[in-house]
Amino acid sequence: GEQVEQLPSILRVQEGSSASINCTYENSASNYFPWYKQEPGENPKLIIDIRSNMERKQTQGLIVLLDKKAKRFSLHITDTQPGDSAMYFCAASPSSGSWQLIFGSGTQLTVMP
Amino acid sequence: GGIITQTPKFLIGQEGQKLTLKCQQNFNHDTMYWYRQDSGKGLRLIYYSITENDLQKGDLSEGYDASREKKSSFSLTVTSAQKNEMAVFLCASSLTANSDYTFGSGTRLLVI
Repeated sequence: GEQVEQLPSILRVQEGSSASINCTYENSASNYFPWYKQEPGENPKLIIDIRSNMERKQTQGLIVLLDKKAKRFSLHITDTQPGDSAMYFCAASPSSGSWQLIFGSGTQLTVMP
Repeated sequence: GGIITQTPKFLIGQEGQKLTLKCQQNFNHDTMYWYRQDSGKGLRLIYYSITENDLQKGDLSEGYDASREKKSSFSLTVTSAQKNEMAVFLCASSLTANSDYTFGSGTRLLVI
């Protein structure tokens, strides 16, 4: 099946610095790209998403970028805090009108005080 | 606000046993999903259902059955539990195609 590659799998940053996670997808028809945050013992929760008619979206210290030519999208967390420590998953819809999302393998982010 | 509830939260089974996991949502969402989460492997789709009585296989459907008894509920059956299997099964629902998911809190499975 189609895959979404997510890197890095482990990311450690100092509090106050920024953190970046990158994902690539296979199908150029993909048009929806959500990001989920999962804290230990909790379910994944949507934090931000972007659709293919946009290149950049920002909300509350989170920035997502989408490069459709390169089939790449990324999450940037500015001014990281210890509360940002969690597992992060990117996802992509495999095609326009698709009912399912294909998830990346996750990035374990640790923000060190 | 709505809620999506998975039962049980923890499930310990024996090798070869048939195990059933349940999921209920009151968002009135059309589509429901079952994902399996293994450490370091992200979320892999087992089954999904676009509407009541619909069933679609995901990449990981072998060894599982599913049933969408009504719009609000979607159950997953492990047909024959494998020894030492340990994973989290996540149920999710979404309103339409190309929309975000709401996840349940998961069922943690351990097979002894």
